[in-house]
Amino acid sequence: LAKTTQPISMDSYEGQEVNITCSHNNIATNDYITWYQQFPSQGPRFIIQGYKTKVTNEVASLFIPADRKSSTLSLPRVSLSDTAVYYCLVGDIDGTGFQKLVFGTGTRLLVSP
Amino acid sequence: NAGVTQTPKFRVLKTGQSMTLLCAQDMNHEYMYWYRQDPGMGLRLIHYSVGEGTTAKGEVPDGYNVSRLKKQNFLLGLESAAPSQTSVYFCASRLPSQGVRTGNYYEQYFGPGTRLTVT
Repeated sequence: LAKTTQPISMDSYEGQEVNITCSHNNIATNDYITWYQQFPSQGPRFIIQGYKTKVTNEVASLFIPADRKSSTLSLPRVSLSDTAVYYCLVGDIDGTGFQKLVFGTGTRLLVSP
Repeated sequence: NAGVTQTPKFRVLKTGQSMTLLCAQDMNHEYMYWYRQDPGMGLRLIHYSVGEGTTAKGEVPDGYNVSRLKKQNFLLGLESAAPSQTSVYFCASRLPSQGVRTGNYYEQYFGPGTRLTVT
């Protein structure tokens, strides 16, 4: 399973853009990159997934360089409600449904006024 | 549409006691998962199911059993609870997609969690 490394914590202010980088040097050819968000006392919530280049949805953007050894989750104009833990997962779900996705310790983002 | 619900929300057990955690989803999802999350840690997969009547082991299955008698329900059992099983337990479900892994292929819907303490 591909191991991921993320900063333990990050601080930001409302209205700023936040970029959280995840390192995954041993990513496999079939692995996808997925990001989840978790608020205290809640289950994680899916944010975005990608394989290469750039992916954008209504919540965030995901930038993946050509070598795929890292990825960056970009949150535009954060608000206080974006304070949460963000998990970078690398892996795949095989044909039997097995979740080869490992949740690391995540990045704790604190957004201040 | 309630999504994924978990029962109970909190529970305290003594060592050696048994209990069952219930997960229910109303989204007609085929895949269901049980995770545990220890303080300050990420989630670890305990067991999962790819459909009614099926179960399979995840990363940390020891000490747990599961059953999926109905498509909408996934039960997690602890036969003889141990302090090491003190954790927050999350259930998740997913609608399997065929073919290209685009869009929200990896999206799992999580329940609110069950906080279990074993003394």
